[in-house]
Amino acid sequence: DAKTTQPTSMDCAEGRAANLPCNHSTISGNEYVYWYRQIHSQGPQYIIHGLKNNETNEMASLIITEDRKSSTLILPHATLRDTAVYYCIVRVAHGGSEKLVFGKGTKLTVNP
Amino acid sequence: KAGVTQTPRYLIKTRGQQVTLSCSPISGHRSVSWYQQTPGQGLQFLFEYFSETQRNKGNFPGRFSGRQFSNSRSEMNVSTLELGDSALYLCASSLNPQGADTGELFFGEGSRLTVL
Repeated sequence: DAKTTQPTSMDCAEGRAANLPCNHSTISGNEYVYWYRQIHSQGPQYIIHGLKNNETNEMASLIITEDRKSSTLILPHATLRDTAVYYCIVRVAHGGSEKLVFGKGTKLTVNP
Repeated sequence: KAGVTQTPRYLIKTRGQQVTLSCSPISGHRSVSWYQQTPGQGLQFLFEYFSETQRNKGNFPGRFSGRQFSNSRSEMNVSTLELGDSALYLCASSLNPQGADTGELFFGEGSRLTVL
């Protein structure tokens, strides 16, 4: 079973920041938070991941709470092309071959 | 560099038949994972191969099998197809086995199987 809880759907206006929350209250100390997204009819695409510090790359920012029980993915200036299902996943990044467990994700719709 | 390539992209089979799907990982990637995606169950892990060895397996019946070749290319096979096997089958590659590096997986576009 997925170890994360995400809202089923969210809307965002084009050009505004999209903030996608994720709860992972049972996360272990050695588990990372990963975000992927899947645009319709395509394979999932890696966005970002982090352990406990906030992370930023060219696509998004990841904010992880101090207790690591929740996180927020931020798309700073959402575009129509960001409309997709966003998956939050927790997993061990080092050692073993633990599979990715995808939950239902959040369907983000960016409106013009 | 070229991404993950899956063939065929679309195929239609009938119940009882078998199907073989192919995946060519990104050059240099040695780990290949397979996932099944259906509207009802979402994305579910099938199996993972690294250096021609199956390292992890999901909760699927024995009708689902796979293998990996010395060049890291992988195939999955589904025998005795059932209607419920209709799905998008996704292949993902990574440099190292899942969990042995940053964990970033690169997914292909998938093979959409329809079973009639």
